[in-house]
Amino acid sequence: GIQVEQSPPDLILQEGANSTLRCNFSDSVNNLQWFHQNPWGQLINLFYIPSGTKQNGRLSATTVATERYSLLYISSSQTTDSGVYFCAVEDTRGSTLGRLYFGRGTQLTVWP
Amino acid sequence: EPEVTQTPSHQVTQMGQEVILRCVPISNHLYFYWYRQILGQKVEFLVSFYNNEISEKSEIFDDQFSVERPDGSNFTLKIRSTKLEDSAMYFCASSVGWNNEQFFGPGTRLTVL
Repeated sequence: GIQVEQSPPDLILQEGANSTLRCNFSDSVNNLQWFHQNPWGQLINLFYIPSGTKQNGRLSATTVATERYSLLYISSSQTTDSGVYFCAVEDTRGSTLGRLYFGRGTQLTVWP
Repeated sequence: EPEVTQTPSHQVTQMGQEVILRCVPISNHLYFYWYRQILGQKVEFLVSFYNNEISEKSEIFDDQFSVERPDGSNFTLKIRSTKLEDSAMYFCASSVGWNNEQFFGPGTRLTVL
């Protein structure tokens, strides 16, 4: 199946700092999503972004499908941003209907 | 805003027992999924379901697992004879179509003793 690599694996920030999380994938994709897993384990949808750029408040994401990567930007980080950020992709092969492949995530810790 | 719901939030069971995890997908969604996440690991796909049949299943989804849509709203995952290694968080998800955004429920934390 498609390989999804996320970097960095861990990130520690002071409140107010900006950060960039990266997701590389090994094949063409139809679907790319970013999630935030909160301390209770819930997966919160951040972006559905198979290509292009989107912004939602302090968060934005860019996917360059031709170069097989996506970036998640967090500006002016807050302690509530702490948690694990996952990238997940669905490849273009018709034999893997709806299957999302997840990366191992970036563990973000924001200190006050 | 519509959301996927799951019950129970926590389930503790003895090894060898059967468990049924329940999900109510978003009402206008037609595609349903189960994923699991063993503690500290990444989320893994189990199965996708459309039009009352399995569309794809992973190598994890062996004969001990089954899925069902018993009525117009519920989507269930049954583990017939639980093993210690089935302990994980199980997520249900739904989407309007293939290649569309998948929305996840809050998960059921299953602990097998």
